[in-house]
Amino acid sequence: AQKVTQAQTEISVVEKEDVTLDCVYETRDTTYYLFWYKQPPSGELVFLIRRNSFDEQNEISGRYSWNFQKSTSSFNFTITASQVVDSAVYFCALSEGGGTSYGKLTFGQGTILTVHP
Amino acid sequence: EPEVTQTPSHQVTQMGQEVILRCVPISNHLYFYWYRQILGQKVEFLVSFYNNEISEKSEIFDDQFSVERPDGSNFTLKIRSTKLEDSAMYFCASRAGTSPLHFGNGTRLTVT
Repeated sequence: AQKVTQAQTEISVVEKEDVTLDCVYETRDTTYYLFWYKQPPSGELVFLIRRNSFDEQNEISGRYSWNFQKSTSSFNFTITASQVVDSAVYFCALSEGGGTSYGKLTFGQGTILTVHP
Repeated sequence: EPEVTQTPSHQVTQMGQEVILRCVPISNHLYFYWYRQILGQKVEFLVSFYNNEISEKSEIFDDQFSVERPDGSNFTLKIRSTKLEDSAMYFCASRAGTSPLHFGNGTRLTVT
């Protein structure tokens, strides 16, 4: 069975601080996908990034960066120079294999990020 | 950019009543999903639907739940006899091939 753990329930930072959200996953599959979604106060789920299990390259997109390490089963998310608009709940999620199972995501508990001005 | 559309945004119903949540997936998508998020908790998979049939369902998706794609555009989730514990945000999602899931804005269901 697959499992996603986001150990940080809540994080509070002051604007312009860097913040890292941790994600640890468990799966028996050799082919899997990892995702991060953002849920702002308005409630929708916004896709941020997807990585597959064969691609351990770190990725940077503007102020966002992701560190995928298979050796530690972690997929951490860093926001550089945080802004108030980054305040949201962030979910890490895992999907195994392909076909119809690909869209069956197992979500972590989420991390509530609050960025204070 | 195309969006997944869900209606209504908020539904209030009495315990024991039937409720239908509606979704219009992105038009060229072939895989459809329903997820649920109880307030303050994580998002949970309910069911996946492909080629006009259920592909996979979770333990949550019991006989009280059903899904349907009644025409070429809508995808519905029906709860036959709602319970208090069905109160949650319900998200519809769709995808094409191996694209990431696109989620709708959700329907908040309140069972009183």
